[in-house]
Amino acid sequence: KNEVEQSPQNLTAQEGEFITINCSYSVGISALHWLQQHPGGGIVSLFMLSSGKKKHGRLIATINIQEKHSSLHITASHPRDSAVYICAVRSRGADGLTFGKGTHLIIQP
Amino acid sequence: DVKVTQSSRYLVKRTGEKVFLECVQDMDHENMFWYRQDPGLGLRLIYFSYDVKMKEKGDIPEGYSVSREKKERFSLILESASTNQTSMYLCASSLSLFEQFFGPGTRLTVL
Repeated sequence: KNEVEQSPQNLTAQEGEFITINCSYSVGISALHWLQQHPGGGIVSLFMLSSGKKKHGRLIATINIQEKHSSLHITASHPRDSAVYICAVRSRGADGLTFGKGTHLIIQP
Repeated sequence: DVKVTQSSRYLVKRTGEKVFLECVQDMDHENMFWYRQDPGLGLRLIYFSYDVKMKEKGDIPEGYSVSREKKERFSLILESASTNQTSMYLCASSLSLFEQFFGPGTRLTVL
């Protein structure tokens, strides 16, 4: 079973700061997802990665397959970025996703 | 846009009651999933289905069953609700086994 660890668990930062959230996993994967969950529960898929790097607006996701590690970066952070960010992996040969426990991000004005 | 809807946002039930949580998706996705989310534990897969009338156990199926009679609808059933099933329940669907689209969640409280 894949073990997915996220760090930090909680992060409070000031508006405009560069944010990094890390995710590591223990077993080879076919894909890694970064998800965003706002208060109220709805989950939105931000990225799906199997290699390299993806960018969407102020969000950047990278993955290093050899090191079994991914990072989510937020540039010029804004209070509306406040949410829980969840890393999830699909192990090779598996059907479901294994989730990290999430990183609770608060951006203060 | 893919839309995944869940029958209730909030639900309060009593111990021993039979509880049905409904999930409907409108994009003809083959795969549907039920997760529960608990503080400190993250999301955990309860059951998933990759076709009508097909189901597979996830990581924590005990105390739950599912039904998929139609492609667009995936139901989670708590045969006899218990207090430790108080949780946020999230449904998701996907066309392939990759990107998943999530519903808004149902916060279930069992008294």
